[in-house]
Amino acid sequence: DVKVTQSSRYLVKRTGEKVFLECVQDMDHENMFWYRQDPGLGLRLIYFSYDVKMKEKGDIPEGYSVSREKKERFSLILESASTNQTSMYLCASDKPGYEQYFGPGTRLTVT
Amino acid sequence: AQTVTQSQPEMSVQEAETVTLSCTYDTSESDYYLFWYKQPPSRQMILVIRQEAYKQQNATENRFSVNFQKAAKSFSLKISDSQLGDAAMYFCAYRRGTGNQFYFGTGTSLTVIP
Repeated sequence: DVKVTQSSRYLVKRTGEKVFLECVQDMDHENMFWYRQDPGLGLRLIYFSYDVKMKEKGDIPEGYSVSREKKERFSLILESASTNQTSMYLCASDKPGYEQYFGPGTRLTVT
Repeated sequence: AQTVTQSQPEMSVQEAETVTLSCTYDTSESDYYLFWYKQPPSRQMILVIRQEAYKQQNATENRFSVNFQKAAKSFSLKISDSQLGDAAMYFCAYRRGTGNQFYFGTGTSLTVIP
């Protein structure tokens, strides 16, 4: 079974802190994705990566950056957390042309 | 840009009954895939069903089936014999055939009434 894991289920940070969210997949998938999920807005793509060290901006990249140094790991970085970044963050991975597999999500609260 | 629309924010169904969730999408592509995902409360998002656009036959997975109307750009999900465990948020998603990016709808929250 494909497994996508995320470093934290719940996270509370203060405004201005640097925040790292990590995602690991164990099925050698080329693509990895970071989404933000908010009620009534569905899933919005922040960034995705189609290979190591390669990334592309999604629909809402502002305030975020990403890092993919190894194929199995994809990190989302909030350089200076703000209260409007309080949200559920979902990581996903897939092979091109196939369905996405999701991690359990990280509920981030920025106070 | 591709858009996916789910016009029903909330739906409810009696246990053992049938319910249909609606999804429409906008694309100029001929090669694409459509998906329904299920997200139970506080649990992981999982794939329910997948449909390739080039296939005329509607996909089915046990109690779940789709009504894929390519010309109308409609992709509805039918859940038969609804069970309490079907209660979840359901997301419709689109992916271009040669693309990496998924486009998700805003979701439909399904309640199953015992």
